[in-house]
Amino acid sequence: DTAVSQTPKYLVTQMGNDKSIKCEQNLGHDTMYWYKQDSKKFLKIMFSYNNKELIINETVPNRFSPKSPDKAHLNLHINSLELGDSAVYFCASSDLEGRASGGYTFGSGTRLTVV
Amino acid sequence: EDQVTQSPEALRLQEGESSSLNCSYTVSGLRGLFWYRQDPGKGPEFLFTLYSAGEEKEKERLKATLTKKESFLHITAPKPEDSATYLCAVATGGSYIPTFGRGTSLIVHP
Repeated sequence: DTAVSQTPKYLVTQMGNDKSIKCEQNLGHDTMYWYKQDSKKFLKIMFSYNNKELIINETVPNRFSPKSPDKAHLNLHINSLELGDSAVYFCASSDLEGRASGGYTFGSGTRLTVV
Repeated sequence: EDQVTQSPEALRLQEGESSSLNCSYTVSGLRGLFWYRQDPGKGPEFLFTLYSAGEEKEKERLKATLTKKESFLHITAPKPEDSATYLCAVATGGSYIPTFGRGTSLIVHP
């Protein structure tokens, strides 16, 4: 199936730990994104990345870092996890046409709970 | 202050009862206004893009319209399977990255 897939789907971890969320897309898209959805369902962009440019939302703490081994993958590293990091994290991808039309393809999300 | 405001927050309808969801925006230089559908436990699914005032798009029971200040998502004779959260987003200026509203949670009762 062509899709954006994220792992794990659920992640429960203690404060202070470091964790990663993986994302892979097989759509041939050139740009990938990470979004955070809070408890009130507000979806907020964290990063936009293609092989030329990383755009970081200025409100994202530097404990969060995207890592892209290749065009099809964009992983999210989080250091020193805090309670406030608990949220659902969505990976998405688009190509140039999709960016202009809003046609982003989202993964199913990773629910992160920090205890 | 939110650039994109959706109302109502939640909407309950009976099957067949038509209604509209609203998305108002305060941005200038609109590149596009987008509607997404999100089912519980899933990521948003793209529905429509609208680019200029007066434009309309349709898909099955859904019709999206756009004015200079707001967009409406009209749902005609909804079915229970239309139950979902509907998200509106805008892209402005030089960025195609959409800024999302907080969504409208729609429940359609059989």
